[in-house]
Amino acid sequence: DGGITQSPKYLFRKEGQNVTLSCEQNLNHDAMYWYRQDPGQGLRLIYYSQIVNDFQKGDIAEGYSVSREKKESFPLTVTSAQKNPTAFYLCASSIAGASGTQYFGPGTRLLVL
Amino acid sequence: DAKTTQPNSMESNEEEPVHLPCNHSTISGTDYIHWYRQLPSQGPEYVIHGLTSNVNNRMASLAIAEDRKSSTLILHRATLRDAAVYYCILSHYSSNDYKLSFGAGTTVTVRA
Repeated sequence: DGGITQSPKYLFRKEGQNVTLSCEQNLNHDAMYWYRQDPGQGLRLIYYSQIVNDFQKGDIAEGYSVSREKKESFPLTVTSAQKNPTAFYLCASSIAGASGTQYFGPGTRLLVL
Repeated sequence: DAKTTQPNSMESNEEEPVHLPCNHSTISGTDYIHWYRQLPSQGPEYVIHGLTSNVNNRMASLAIAEDRKSSTLILHRATLRDAAVYYCILSHYSSNDYKLSFGAGTTVTVRA
């Protein structure tokens, strides 16, 4: 089955720790995205990548980092610089371009211990 | 950046149509209008998208104003499974200057 997967479903972070959220897609999409969602709020764009080895900051990139070494994978690292990381993180992929429908993963809920 | 404005909530009875408005008065000529919906603790699901002309698919219809400054998502016969948060999104792509603008979303409640 084609789709987009995220792991883990729940992730706990200790203070001062970096954690990495996984996002994989087998839809052969060029573009991938990371969003953050806080309770009762809409989605905010963290980073996006239109092609392998290239990515752009979204609206709230501070405290986060990404890499795009493979077309299928777009991991997100939440660094210790992100002081309020507790949120629901969503990964999406699409064909490149503004008309591309985004397909979302099931999300990872990050909690701080 | 082009922004969208949606009502916070709407209620409907089952089997009745639902009309969800979205204002995007600063939309540019190359912005697409997308609609997604989201159930609690799940990723958003694509509903429909369009550029200038009205669009229909098995889930819904999208009516776009002639000046493109507003659009309406139409759920023809609401079911309980249509209860969700609906997001109106503008997408713009130009070289590496990719921009997304999310509305705050409309929470749709469907009464049995």
